[in-house]
Amino acid sequence: EDQVTQSPEALRLQEGESSSLNCSYTVSGLRGLFWYRQDPGKGPEFLFTLYSAGEEKEKERLKATLTKKESFLHITAPKPEDSATYLCAVRGGGNKLTFGTGTQLKVEL
Amino acid sequence: DTGVSQDPRHKITKRGQNVTFRCDPISEHNRLYWYRQTLGQGPEFLTYFQNEAQLEKSRLLSDRFSAERPKGSFSTLEIQRTEQGDSAMYLCATSGTSGYEQYFGPGTRLTVT
Repeated sequence: EDQVTQSPEALRLQEGESSSLNCSYTVSGLRGLFWYRQDPGKGPEFLFTLYSAGEEKEKERLKATLTKKESFLHITAPKPEDSATYLCAVRGGGNKLTFGTGTQLKVEL
Repeated sequence: DTGVSQDPRHKITKRGQNVTFRCDPISEHNRLYWYRQTLGQGPEFLTYFQNEAQLEKSRLLSDRFSAERPKGSFSTLEIQRTEQGDSAMYLCATSGTSGYEQYFGPGTRLTVT
């Protein structure tokens, strides 16, 4: 069964203080690792898809990387508007996504 | 707005009542998924449609839950004889044929009293 573990559960940063979120996974035949952002009371918003080890994707202050066992979401010089829960998910042999429990990020002035 | 839409956004019901939720996909997307999310957890997969065919169902989907996607367009998720444990956010997601990315709607928040 596919499994995703995210750490830390919560992270508090000062504005401009860069950090990384971790996503460890076990899956039979990875067919995609996905990062989403979720604001309170809203549906997840798609950020990135990574398919193979060594792949990297960037968007504004966010960069996602992938190894054979884990993915990192690097946040460079975060701003308060980056505050949200960041979810990691994997797709294995079926059609469903298996999600982790997320990292709740708070960026303070 | 060309994104995934869900209706209603909020539903409060009494235990034992039936409820039905609707999802309207992005127009060119033929794949549709239902997930359930409780507080502090990630979304959990419930069921998957390709066009009008329901191809995959989770063990979480008890016989009180039924989903349909007539004509391969909008989908409905019905919960019969609701229980307090059904209280959650019900999320719909859709994807096209060119990629695996799933795009989520805003969700329906169900509260069973």
